[in-house]
Amino acid sequence: AQKITQTQPGMFVQEKEAVTLDCTYDTSDQSYGLFWYKQPSSGEMIFLIYQGSYDQQNATEGRYSLNFQKARKSANLVISASQLGDSAMYFCAGHRGSTLGRLYFGRGTQLTVWP
Amino acid sequence: DAEITQSPRHKITETGRQVTLACHQTWNHNNMFWYRQDLGHGLRLIHYSYGVQDTNKGEVSDGYSVSRSNTEDLPLTLESAASSQTSVYFCASSESPKNTEAFFGQGTRLTVV
Repeated sequence: AQKITQTQPGMFVQEKEAVTLDCTYDTSDQSYGLFWYKQPSSGEMIFLIYQGSYDQQNATEGRYSLNFQKARKSANLVISASQLGDSAMYFCAGHRGSTLGRLYFGRGTQLTVWP
Repeated sequence: DAEITQSPRHKITETGRQVTLACHQTWNHNNMFWYRQDLGHGLRLIHYSYGVQDTNKGEVSDGYSVSRSNTEDLPLTLESAASSQTSVYFCASSESPKNTEAFFGQGTRLTVV
């Protein structure tokens, strides 16, 4: 299995500031992938960003970037220039290369952006 | 546009009843998954399928079953609903072997009374 740990139950950030949401993972696989999903209060799961274990560069998608530190087994999400609409639950998830598509989720971090 | 839809979105049922939650995707993805979401646990995998006639147990499969008779659908059945199965259920699909993104349905909120 793959264990995903999110140690921050809640985070607060002021609008326009950057925020980092922590995620660590534990796997013995060489091939794996890491995801971040956003879940707003409406409940849907929105894919944000993906990082493969063999990717040479950190993934970026608009205001989202993934700070991937393989040796430390961390895959932190960085949101630059926070917006009020970023307030949501954020989940880190991982999959193993040997188990196609099965995702293991962390418990989530509730992000609140204040004006 | 391709999509993945779950029905119903909300359901209340009584303990002991059989309940089936539907999941339909038009992505033509081989991989389909059912997760449940509970406070303090994130999402946990119930069952999954890598193709027609293929089904596998996830980490919390007791009391649930699935069947895959075509590519588009993976219905989840609660054989005899229990209060512990009150949860939000998510269906997801992904393309094989490219798994850089899993697409999620809108979720089904199930209450067992």
